[in-house]
Formats: sequence, structure tokens, C-alpha cells
Amino acid sequence: NAGVMQNPRHLVRRRGQEARLRCSPMKGHSHVYWYRQLPEEGLKFMVYLQKENIIDESGMPKERFSAEFPKEGPSILRIQQVVRGDSAAYFCASSPPSMGNYGYTFGSGTRLTVV
Amino acid sequence: GENVEQHPSTLSVQEGDSAVIKCTYSDSASNYFPWYKQELGKGPQLIIDIRSNVGEKKDQRIAVTLNKTAKHFSLHITETQPEDSAVYFCAASSVNDYKLSFGAGTTVTVRA
Repeated sequence: NAGVMQNPRHLVRRRGQEARLRCSPMKGHSHVYWYRQLPEEGLKFMVYLQKENIIDESGMPKERFSAEFPKEGPSILRIQQVVRGDSAAYFCASSPPSMGNYGYTFGSGTRLTVV
Repeated sequence: GENVEQHPSTLSVQEGDSAVIKCTYSDSASNYFPWYKQELGKGPQLIIDIRSNVGEKKDQRIAVTLNKTAKHFSLHITETQPEDSAVYFCAASSVNDYKLSFGAGTTVTVRA
């Protein structure tokens, strides 16, 4: 069991470009959560997805950010027209159905740097 | 929403000594309190958790205590070792919820 896989590990984008972050959940996990960690801060919830459904995106900025978890393939967090303030570590977690946060496993994160 | 505060932000201890990290939370409905360890360049890893129906839980050198009345919980690491050096995060949630509210983290350095 490979765990939660995130790629890329590091991503550098110029202001105005798009960033695409990928997350493959653990085998058997159908729930995916994205968190953002700003420097010197704890993780902040962004969005919760199940296959083909966004369950809760209350923590995600209304503009430029979107997330999906298609029937096939990894979950994608997309940030359009990146700005310097988007620089952060983005972590994905997955859990089995019905376990919620009790069954979280985090990936190693994608560290986004906007220059 | 839930607000979790964590202290201290940095902690330096001599190898073999104990380390204590304290967290407070604001939502009296929270009943699940996990602790995560994050090593450099890695994701957070669950090290211990406690639910509100118990006041203390131990796992080898780590223990967590919970005071629901005062709305605070603590992580205790005894006989610290260099490999305990990491950033530790507390979090709070409801057991049946899916969101975790995290503290800002404590950077623990164990001096050899």
C-alpha cells in the first residue's frame, strides 16, 4: 500500500500561471481532503471531495481555486492565475468511507512557490 | 467555527528530559483531539489521539491528557530522543465530522 501520493513535490510558478496539484488516495479510500499550510501556521481545511462530488468547499477561496475528484484518476487542486500569496504547502488526506477525520492519512504535500 | 491555540511555538529540550505542549479549543462540541508529528519535508503523521470520553491516553513515551471543562489538552513526551525533533500539531474536531481544526504548531528540538 503506497499511501497517499501527491505530485509534484515541489512546484514553481510565475505570477499569472496555473498550478495543478495531484493527489492519489490510498487504496480503498474514496474520500479526499485538501488542506493548505502557510509558513509558520497550522493546516487549514480547503475542500472535501468524494468520487465525482464536492461535499464541502467552504475553506476554498471563491475565485481562482477549484478541485475535482473524477471517477478515474487522481484528485486535482487547480489554482488559476497564481499570486505570491498562494505560496504554501498543500496537503491531501484520504480516508475510508464513514471514518471521516478519524481515518485520515496525509500525503507528503506539494510545496508551491510563486515567483 | 473551532479555534485551536497551541503553545509554545518552539520548545528546546535536553535529550532524556520531558516535553509538554498545550492546546486550547473554543467549541465545546469538539470531542476528538488528535496530535500529528510533521518531519521536515513530510506530511503530518498521526501519533496519538483522544476522545472526550477519556481523560488520558498513553502510548509508550507519549501521552495525551484532556480537560473538557477547561477546554484544553496536552501532549507529553517523556525521555525525549533526537528523533523526536519535529513540528507537532494539535487538532480538534467532532468524531463524526470530517474537518480538523489545527493549532499553529510547536517546533520541538531535542539537544543531544
